[in-house]
Amino acid sequence: SQQGEEDPQALSIQEGENATMNCSYKTSINNLQWYRQNSGRGLVHLILIRSNEREKHSGRLRVTLDTSKKSSSLLITASRAADTASYFCATDDSWGKLQFGAGTQVVVTP
Amino acid sequence: EAQVTQNPRYLITVTGKKLTVTCSQNMNHEYMSWYRQDPGLGLRQIYYSMNVEVTDKGDVPEGYKVSRKEKRNFPLILESPSPNQTSLYFCASSSAGAGGSGYTFGSGTRLTVV
Repeated sequence: SQQGEEDPQALSIQEGENATMNCSYKTSINNLQWYRQNSGRGLVHLILIRSNEREKHSGRLRVTLDTSKKSSSLLITASRAADTASYFCATDDSWGKLQFGAGTQVVVTP
Repeated sequence: EAQVTQNPRYLITVTGKKLTVTCSQNMNHEYMSWYRQDPGLGLRQIYYSMNVEVTDKGDVPEGYKVSRKEKRNFPLILESPSPNQTSLYFCASSSAGAGGSGYTFGSGTRLTVV
């Protein structure tokens, strides 16, 4: 069963704009992770935020975590065409059992 | 280069013919896992392994077997494949430790069962 659910399912923006996607989950977690997948390729780990952290940055990425609301958001600033991909949140509620949401498809047009 | 290697990348097989998808990692990771990805369903975990000789079922284990005899290898076995196992399969590995760490994924195996 899916633990995380991303919103929106799809997002279309222009280069230079910011892209925000959200993830909600159901049970308590050890950490939450975000991944990117280019069409048909393997997933690439972007960022991990632990349950006792509220915000984390990595380059143009900003992740927030609100454990009281069981939700997280991923912000990509100043988007580029190369950011076109599907983005997945994944929750780790027990070691090794990482569960993914269905993903947000992001299209960045020049 | 640190990586997870899956083979084959593409496979077309017939119903009932046993097959194995291999997965190997060179990062000395304790955790390894198999996922399948289907349109509209996202990634679903098939099996995972926390260390050598320790495996456990994920969310969709029916029709699959795994083994973890060595730390680096985690093959996925389909004893009698059926068309509903047509999917994109990913192997992933991760190091252990407090707070965990991100998974490194293989490039995927696209399996078609006819």
